Amino acid sequence: QVQLQESGPGLVKPSQTLSLTCTVSGGSISSGDYYWSWIRQPPGKGLEWIGYIYYSGSTYYNPSLKSRVTISVDTSKNQFSLKLSSVTAADTAVYYCARATYYDFWSGAFEWFDPWGQGTLVTVSS
Amino acid sequence: QSALTQPASVSGSPGQSITISCTGTSSDVGGYNYVSWYQQHPGKAPKLMIYDVSKRPSGVSNRFSGSKSGNTASLTISGLQAEDEADYYCCSYAGSSTFAVFGGGTKLTVL
Repeated sequence: QVQLQESGPGLVKPSQTLSLTCTVSGGSISSGDYYWSWIRQPPGKGLEWIGYIYYSGSTYYNPSLKSRVTISVDTSKNQFSLKLSSVTAADTAVYYCARATYYDFWSGAFEWFDPWGQGTLVTVSS
Repeated sequence: QSALTQPASVSGSPGQSITISCTGTSSDVGGYNYVSWYQQHPGKAPKLMIYDVSKRPSGVSNRFSGSKSGNTASLTISGLQAEDEADYYCCSYAGSSTFAVFGGGTKLTVL
């Protein structure tokens, strides 16, 4: 049974870069059947998709965040990572990693997100 | 403002049925059969309840069902139980520029 676990600093200063890592256990990130995703949820608000990556390194990003987001993968460690630059208080959120089942790899089309990590709260504050 | 529109709240009594709607456009909900629904209890991660509009993952109660008509998807919960009280989010594939969009979430209260 695949499990995902987020890790990284819980506090980031404004204008700096937020960095998180998701460690996958119980399955290989290189299996080729999935995209590996980041999703966030500001306190008391809804979910927002940030982006996903295929094990080969192909990435797909939310257009509204694309200029500030980088998602990378380290298959040797069975991990993938998120970097969000130039953060502001509006980036304060619980950040989740999740596995996405895709139906058409070449278009970046996905079907659903499952499973999810437990989430990690990142606060942007000086 | 979320890309998909859900009612902010719905409520029902134990044993009753409720339906949560999720309205999008022909570029997302109406254009693809890749709508999924997630249940989120306070302080917990979302849990997949329905995928591909109407399919249930193994282990999810058959009291949960999904459907779609045009640009609106729906989640129906029958035989409401206290444990169903949670937030529910819809999600859809939205094409090769936008990819994934979520609804704003619906808070279900079991009276």
